[in-house]
Amino acid sequence: GAGVSQTPSNKVTEKGKYVELRCDPISGHTALYWYRQSLGQGPEFLIYFQGTGAADDSGLPNDRFFAVRPEGSVSTLKIQRTERGDSAVYLCASSFGGGANYGYTFGSGTRLTVV
Amino acid sequence: AQSVTQLDSQVPVFEEAPVELRCNYSSSVSVYLFWYVQYPNQGLQLLLKYLSGSTLVKGINGFEAEFNKSQTSFHLRKPSVHISDTAEYFCAVSDRGAGKSTFGDGTTLTVKP
Repeated sequence: GAGVSQTPSNKVTEKGKYVELRCDPISGHTALYWYRQSLGQGPEFLIYFQGTGAADDSGLPNDRFFAVRPEGSVSTLKIQRTERGDSAVYLCASSFGGGANYGYTFGSGTRLTVV
Repeated sequence: AQSVTQLDSQVPVFEEAPVELRCNYSSSVSVYLFWYVQYPNQGLQLLLKYLSGSTLVKGINGFEAEFNKSQTSFHLRKPSVHISDTAEYFCAVSDRGAGKSTFGDGTTLTVKP
């Protein structure tokens, strides 16, 4: 696609529920990143895929968070047993290569609200 | 561990005035440095990046930034701002060879007529 697409743009869920956030990167971009942005803060790294595999998942806060990219294109971020502290904007980015030197192209984000 | 400090959370300036947004970083290894911009109701967009070579890098929309290794800074400048430059600006650092970046908390630039 022309840009990084994230769906849904907004998601409201009840505490304890399971949510899935989807990211469709730019066609041909091999690297895909998930970041989380809380109000008044900069993006915080969660996980980075090179192709189908997670190259670095050191930013995932706990085992309630999981992400997949089974075919090396679309990725899904999965959050189990959501908590109010999970409320944030979840950003997806992609880049042509695997290093940060390429810079990121970001999507518009999914705003997750846990009530 | 890396960290990024954006020294000003808000910078108000008048149109056509010069502006400098300050960024300091800490890292134990060689780094890449970035500035991203987020216009209202839009996603983050890469403004410019420093990888190696000349310490003065030019980006889109007339912005430039200077890498100063001794001061571990990467300040963003524009000689004359426009109303349309009103946005949130984020500085980011990445270790060479790594995929992830560490972002600062952002500087809100407000350009007033």
